[in-house]
Amino acid sequence: KQEVTQIPAALSVPEGENLVLNCSFTDSAIYNLQWFRQDPGKGLTSLLLIQSSQREQTSGRLNASLDKSSGRSTLYIAASQPGDSATYLCAPERNTDKLIFGTGTRLQVFP
Amino acid sequence: DTEVTQTPKHLVMGMTNKKSLKCEQHMGHRAMYWYKQKAKKPPELMFVYSYEKLSINESVPSRFSPECPNSSLLNLHLHALQPEDSALYLCASSQDRAGRNEKLFFGSGTQLSVL
Repeated sequence: KQEVTQIPAALSVPEGENLVLNCSFTDSAIYNLQWFRQDPGKGLTSLLLIQSSQREQTSGRLNASLDKSSGRSTLYIAASQPGDSATYLCAPERNTDKLIFGTGTRLQVFP
Repeated sequence: DTEVTQTPKHLVMGMTNKKSLKCEQHMGHRAMYWYKQKAKKPPELMFVYSYEKLSINESVPSRFSPECPNSSLLNLHLHALQPEDSALYLCASSQDRAGRNEKLFFGSGTQLSVL
């Protein structure tokens, strides 16, 4: 059974810092991995999708890397802003229609 | 239109009530999903519909009954729920089946309270 752990569980930083969010998963036979953000009481927004043949994806200030062999993915957030405050979830996926979500990192960026 | 719309946003029901949650998308997506999320926990998959057919039921109790009347609409019928079923219910859709490098688009959810 796939287990997905995210470290740290919570993070509080001043704006402007560069951040690293970590995701580890036990089953490396994945098809892809997505990173999502979730605002309190809201749905999820897909940020980046990394296909199994790729090692990283970038969108604006976000960069996500994937190392399938070691069962790890990392989300980098450059020059963090208060608007980045949210919970970030990683979700590796096997070719089975199922996304398994990680435990999440709650991020607060203060002015 | 890149939205997944869920109604109602909030629902309070008694254990003997029957209610339904509705989800709608007009992106031409052919896969739709129901997830359940308890407070401070990650979402858990409940059901997957692919091309309007139920493809995955994650051993969900029969008091939850999904329905996909057409490719744009997904319902979740609720009957005789328990207080522990209180949670945020999220609907999602993707262009094709998940596992084919498709991003999922989520609705904002229905916050359900069972009294």
